[in-house]
Amino acid sequence: GAGVSQSPSNKVTEKGKDVELRCDPISGHTALYWYRQSLGQGLEFLIYFQGNSAPDKSGLPSDRFSAERTGGSVSTLTIQRTQQEDSAVYLCASSYPEGEQFFGPGTRLTVL
Amino acid sequence: LAKTTQPISMDSYEGQEVNITCSHNNIATNDYITWYQQFPSQGPRFIIQGYKTKVTNEVASLFIPADRKSSTLSLPRVSLSDTAVYYCLVGYSSASKIIFGSGTRLSIRP
Repeated sequence: GAGVSQSPSNKVTEKGKDVELRCDPISGHTALYWYRQSLGQGLEFLIYFQGNSAPDKSGLPSDRFSAERTGGSVSTLTIQRTQQEDSAVYLCASSYPEGEQFFGPGTRLTVL
Repeated sequence: LAKTTQPISMDSYEGQEVNITCSHNNIATNDYITWYQQFPSQGPRFIIQGYKTKVTNEVASLFIPADRKSSTLSLPRVSLSDTAVYYCLVGYSSASKIIFGSGTRLSIRP
């Protein structure tokens, strides 16, 4: 079946604008993860969903970041008042409980 | 949360066996050890997971000593296409927070 998809693949925005990133997980996967990866760096955990709930939001870097998941499926990551340091690739992954994570291709965000 | 330590980079040649060791001194009883591979401009891809002793699949082997404070990913007869970043993760699969770390950048030469 289809893998994890993310949209847009690339997003260029101006400092101070809000952006919304979308993740469509693999059908049936109850767990969904968001990560951020800066150029040449490792992955930074942002948030994890089990179903529609997010038990741990402590990975979100600031209150400008928020995420939601509806219907146990699609998730959106919203960044308000974007800053240049928000520029990175945002990766989404999904899994069954206790299963391996399957990653999407990522959204490359550039804040000018 | 168990922290992992891996070499920043490694170099090898085609046809060689490559072993990447990861240290995780604070591993908890319930933690599994998982390795992912990431190519440029792609998301990470699962390679192998284990709890103790040895696990082998069609891609790699994972060796875990009895104290579980380290693990070694073994890639047999590497090729140029194995050039990638390899991440060692320690945790419970459904844990709320997964720490990937900086990974090991493996470069394979002809």
